[in-house]
Amino acid sequence: GAVVSQHPSRVICKSGTSVKIECRSLDFQATTMFWYRQFPKQSLMLMATSNEGSKATYEQGVEKDKFLINHASLTLSTLTVTSAHPEDSSFYICSATTGLSYNEQFFGPGTRLTVL
Amino acid sequence: TQLLEQSPQFLSIQEGENLTVYCNSSSVFSSLQWYRQEPGEGPVLLVTVVTGGEVKKLKRLTFQFGDARKDSSLHITAAQPGDTGLYLCAGEKGGSEKLVFGKGTKLTVNP
Repeated sequence: GAVVSQHPSRVICKSGTSVKIECRSLDFQATTMFWYRQFPKQSLMLMATSNEGSKATYEQGVEKDKFLINHASLTLSTLTVTSAHPEDSSFYICSATTGLSYNEQFFGPGTRLTVL
Repeated sequence: TQLLEQSPQFLSIQEGENLTVYCNSSSVFSSLQWYRQEPGEGPVLLVTVVTGGEVKKLKRLTFQFGDARKDSSLHITAAQPGDTGLYLCAGEKGGSEKLVFGKGTKLTVNP
């Protein structure tokens, strides 16, 4: 149980294009999902908290107009990197909570974004 | 300011050795979670500790939550190459769903 998937697993795009990453909870409903980015050999940095049916809450320093988050249903949240630039290249990981015990977060496998 | 200090940052040991990873903070957490992450993959939850002084065992892994719920440790007995990975501790502060992550401990177990 508590399986989270992400799609795509890898994406390479040209500078200036937009990229959408999907995060799905496969066997549970997630009222809250989180988006992180992780640079090589570093820990996870929380970007935003996504709640179904409401606007995402962004962490300080994260541009909400650049990183668009849509939590359309209890099993799906999407992150769109708009007008991507090489400095946006990173490993993006989502997580979801089941809403049961202790807010345990279950992570997706991550999406490796490379912007050329 | 790093809310959760994890140490050591890197650890390279031989198969069969024991090791301990520490996660310390000046803040109190309502719960603390340990994750293991392999390159190119998302973190996998190992354990959640909630009660001060709690000890949980998962095969060769022993997790402890400090009495004051400010620190935690992960002890691995007789490490194996399959234990290689990035170990992350993450604390949940009361009233928030967000997790605060430590910087991680990169463990390499050599055969």
